[in-house]
Amino acid sequence: AQKITQTQPGMFVQEKEAVTLDCTYDTSDQSYGLFWYKQPSSGEMIFLIYQGSYDEQNATEGRYSLNFQKARKSANLVISASQLGDSAMYFCAMREKTGNQFYFGTGTSLTVIP
Amino acid sequence: GAVVSQHPSRVICKSGTSVKIECRSLDFQATTMFWYRQFPKQSLMLMATSNEGSKATYEQGVEKDKFLINHASLTLSTLTVTSAHPEDSSFYICSARDQGARGNTIYFGEGSWLTVV
Repeated sequence: AQKITQTQPGMFVQEKEAVTLDCTYDTSDQSYGLFWYKQPSSGEMIFLIYQGSYDEQNATEGRYSLNFQKARKSANLVISASQLGDSAMYFCAMREKTGNQFYFGTGTSLTVIP
Repeated sequence: GAVVSQHPSRVICKSGTSVKIECRSLDFQATTMFWYRQFPKQSLMLMATSNEGSKATYEQGVEKDKFLINHASLTLSTLTVTSAHPEDSSFYICSARDQGARGNTIYFGEGSWLTVV
């Protein structure tokens, strides 16, 4: 089974609107971390936000917030007030404490429309 | 299950030696693979793009003689860290592009931890 599932290959959002990018994960570990990365056309993977499995509050970083629903094993990224520069690929990832490896989803391509 | 496999997942080597990390696409042919290195702020820096049958394309600032990339087959790319130093200790991760039935999807390996002592 896939460790990370991103079901939206492509998304469109109007500038200044909010958008939610879906991510579900699969793990039997109690301790793990969830990450979101942005990949612009340059190829690098820019870290956006992190949520620990024991964190009770949803993580927020500026316009990014992570809607963490542990029972559902989902970690959706919410981008508020979308900007044209937000157009990029977005990857969800998980790192389990056991093994400490990274598991990435297949990404969601976000296009912000003026 | 995993469609891109990296090996080894962890390796410790002595300073001055070389170490090879393999990246394999398990059930598709990947003409293009990518190598990243993770830095303390969690971002992954693109080191190089590995092209099957030709030379890798290195990003600015990455020493091609130190980080040798070989993409000898459609399912295997290797990253060799030559004359390793402690500052090369890092997490290295590869990804591969499947331009076939999966529709140009990128899959990531699980990463390799390198510790140089």
